[in-house]
Amino acid sequence: DAGVIQSPRHEVTEMGQEVTLRCKPISGHNSLFWYRQTMMRGLELLIYFNNNVPIDDSGMPEDRFSAKMPNASFSTLKIQPSEPRDSAVYFCASSLREINEQFFGPGTRLTVL
Amino acid sequence: KNEVEQSPQNLTAQEGEFITINCSYSVGISALHWLQQHPGGGIVSLFMLSSGKKKHGRLIATINIQEKHSSLHITASHPRDSAVYICAVRRGGSQGNLIFGKGTKLSVKP
Repeated sequence: DAGVIQSPRHEVTEMGQEVTLRCKPISGHNSLFWYRQTMMRGLELLIYFNNNVPIDDSGMPEDRFSAKMPNASFSTLKIQPSEPRDSAVYFCASSLREINEQFFGPGTRLTVL
Repeated sequence: KNEVEQSPQNLTAQEGEFITINCSYSVGISALHWLQQHPGGGIVSLFMLSSGKKKHGRLIATINIQEKHSSLHITASHPRDSAVYICAVRRGGSQGNLIFGKGTKLSVKP
């Protein structure tokens, strides 16, 4: 298996623009997690899905952030409008079940100017 | 106070040294994870444990549930072990949520 796939790997955008991050989990994994990593706050869970259903979105910073998982092989994290403080590395991870070991994607480095 | 504390924050060692990284947590947990983040940014899961000890190659992870403490040991350290090591816990009763420590940056000099 190719592992968790994220795109793009790098994104530079201007404040106010819409940003969409994409994730393809490992085939057969039922749980998908979106994390954000910054120097100040480290790794934080934003939202996770189980069987394509959002289970906990309490980490989503505000209404500008939204996440979807239309099917078992694809998820998106959207920021609209983006702000400079959203600059971070966004990781997607998947696991067989939500209590199992998680496999991380390579991350998307987002820079909002 | 953070719910997951790691020590030390930074660690420099000479090749071959025995290394210990500590993780203390203040909440009831159902599992604890040790992750490794490479200098290039990729994150790899090393261990997931809820009791006792696990070993993989030169890496050993232990956990003491009563003391709310875990340690990650690296024997015969090598420069390729240089990375950030992150401890994360899953709250008891929680399904998927992980709470992360800030990480320990390890540098192993040849």
